[in-house]
Amino acid sequence: NAGVTQTPKFQVLKTGQSMTLQCAQDMNHNSMYWYRQDPGMGLRLIYYSASEGTTDKGEVPNGYNVSRLNKREFSLRLESAAPSQTSVYFCASSESQFGSWRTGAGANVLTFGAGSRLTVL
Amino acid sequence: DAKTTQPPSMDCAEGRAANLPCNHSTISGNEYVYWYRQIHSQGPQYIIHGLKNNETNEMASLIITEDRKSSTLILPHATLRDTAVYYCIVRVTGAGSYQLTFGKGTKLSVIP
Repeated sequence: NAGVTQTPKFQVLKTGQSMTLQCAQDMNHNSMYWYRQDPGMGLRLIYYSASEGTTDKGEVPNGYNVSRLNKREFSLRLESAAPSQTSVYFCASSESQFGSWRTGAGANVLTFGAGSRLTVL
Repeated sequence: DAKTTQPPSMDCAEGRAANLPCNHSTISGNEYVYWYRQIHSQGPQYIIHGLKNNETNEMASLIITEDRKSSTLILPHATLRDTAVYYCIVRVTGAGSYQLTFGKGTKLSVIP
């Protein structure tokens, strides 16, 4: 029972390079999310996918693209990395952003991955 | 949007109860209060959530005031492994969106 798995755990890029962060969940969750966390800051939502086939912007989407490949997988792509994108990235999933019988209607309970630490030089 | 206010840091003696406060005076009637924690640089971990009633699970208790403008997370017997940043969250953004926004949280230090 792996939960939410992120790869890679660490990555160093040069400015202008591209890369994709991968995320997979094995809990049959409908909703998936990408957050970033900068030193001393809380988590900020980049993009989310309420269900398979849909994606929406969060608080800080500029410079990123996402793909909900299937129900299990949600990837985050940096097309042209910038030093400002140096951060720790967390993927998360939830049964449904609208809650469930387990959590309560409207209760969106997230399960997070271990994080991917990205450094852009 | 409902936002939360938490003290930046707190200390607690090992074995004692840790009481972490949170103000959310603009919370809407259908918004849940959630608590997560983040140990060092790991991914955040869900602790508990509640709407109106007090809640308890194997990790903690959540006490919500009657007017729902504040809440307290209680760790009944804090251990050194409870040292972490604790986030109190309510749903933000517009109608139809259920995304959670994490603030800076409270850094809890459990002291031997």
